[in-house]
Amino acid sequence: DIQMTQSPSFLSASVGERVTLSCRASQNINKYLDWYQQKLGEAPKLLIYNTNNLHTGIPSRFSGSGSGTDYTLTISSLQPEDVATYFCLQRNSWPLTFGSGTKLEIK
Amino acid sequence: EVQLVESGGGLVQPGRSLKLSCLASGFTFSNYGMNWIRQAPGKGLEWVASISSSSSYIYYADTVKGRFTISRDNAKNTLYLQMTSLRSEDTALYYCARHDYSGSFAYWGQGTLVTVSS
Repeated sequence: DIQMTQSPSFLSASVGERVTLSCRASQNINKYLDWYQQKLGEAPKLLIYNTNNLHTGIPSRFSGSGSGTDYTLTISSLQPEDVATYFCLQRNSWPLTFGSGTKLEIK
Repeated sequence: EVQLVESGGGLVQPGRSLKLSCLASGFTFSNYGMNWIRQAPGKGLEWVASISSSSSYIYYADTVKGRFTISRDNAKNTLYLQMTSLRSEDTALYYCARHDYSGSFAYWGQGTLVTVSS
């Protein structure tokens, strides 16, 4: 099974700051990497699919990049509504596996 | 508007069975793959099972293989998860999610809570 490691586990940043979240796979996942946002008490929401494609309705301050085993979610200017836990998911091979999440808070 | 509404959760004793349902609306159900994902209290997300649009392809997480069965009824726009031999570690909020054409989990329900305890 492919292991997904997210870092950091917790991140505190200021409004307007550029924020970078990382996800590392235990083997090449060929860019089949999604990012999901989960706010407290809500279902997860798809942000980015296949590494760098913004899902419908997602603000352009969110972007994704990466290849091989290393992937990044970037928020160009952090907003208060971005407080959430962010999960990556690899869809390169079964079983599908999520990272353990990065909890993002406002400083 | 895409809507996914899970039901069937509850308190169940270890070793017993439970069947979850997910009623879909707002899209042509028979055109999309569907999934179950769970989240234990205070924990992260765990993919459980996936089924293709015509039920031709089915996949399970190792943690539930042989105990859980995913199925669908396209005439009723409903996804199911039959859970048997339940364990305390199966306690979680169970979400159903619809694939997008990319294969991502584009739409999620609000979840149904399963608690396995004596």
